[in-house]
Amino acid sequence: DAGVTQSPTHLIKTRGQQVTLRCSPKSGHDTVSWYQQALGQGPQFIFQYYEEEERQRGNFPDRFSGHQFPNYSSELNVNALLLGDSALYLCASSSVGQGYTFGSGTRLTVV
Amino acid sequence: GENVEQHPSTLSVQEGDSAVIKCTYSDSASNYFPWYKQELGKRPQLIIDIRSNVGEKKDQRIAVTLNKTAKHFSLHITETQPEDSAVYFCAARDFNKLTFGTGTQLKVEL
Repeated sequence: DAGVTQSPTHLIKTRGQQVTLRCSPKSGHDTVSWYQQALGQGPQFIFQYYEEEERQRGNFPDRFSGHQFPNYSSELNVNALLLGDSALYLCASSSVGQGYTFGSGTRLTVV
Repeated sequence: GENVEQHPSTLSVQEGDSAVIKCTYSDSASNYFPWYKQELGKRPQLIIDIRSNVGEKKDQRIAVTLNKTAKHFSLHITETQPEDSAVYFCAARDFNKLTFGTGTQLKVEL
């Protein structure tokens, strides 16, 4: 077991809709990063949350937003879904001096 | 920003042979280089990592080397087994984000 829990595992949404993905980090980890992995590609960094604030952001539009809660869990929100948002969304947790542990991901399909 | 290139994109070896995957990075500020194995439909799993103050690290059949001057690092798998078949990703961390390579599909044939 990875220790990082993501929900839901699969999701189908229609273009224009909004979606919320959830992540619970590994015990002892306080930092959560989100990645988008398109089919056949490497994961792309969306953003990272630490102490309930967005610490760093990748090249993703403002339609992608997030939140971190006091218990270190996190949400990824995507508004106005596009077909191109279809991907595997991975959450990775970490802490100072430790590596990144990935969750199993949420497979989002936009139709 | 950081850019990571990975080669080859596909690699086929006979069981028992060695496999080598190479990556280059662009940002000299990157200080942590993990390697992940991802099986179809599953999460990336960390198999080995190396920090910028170390030149080589080994864990059983897996080793990683880092050349900071040339900005490249490599994954070496010896005595390959069919269960090593998967996609392997290298990554480089600058500040707080990991930048991944494009992946290598490794196939170990019997």
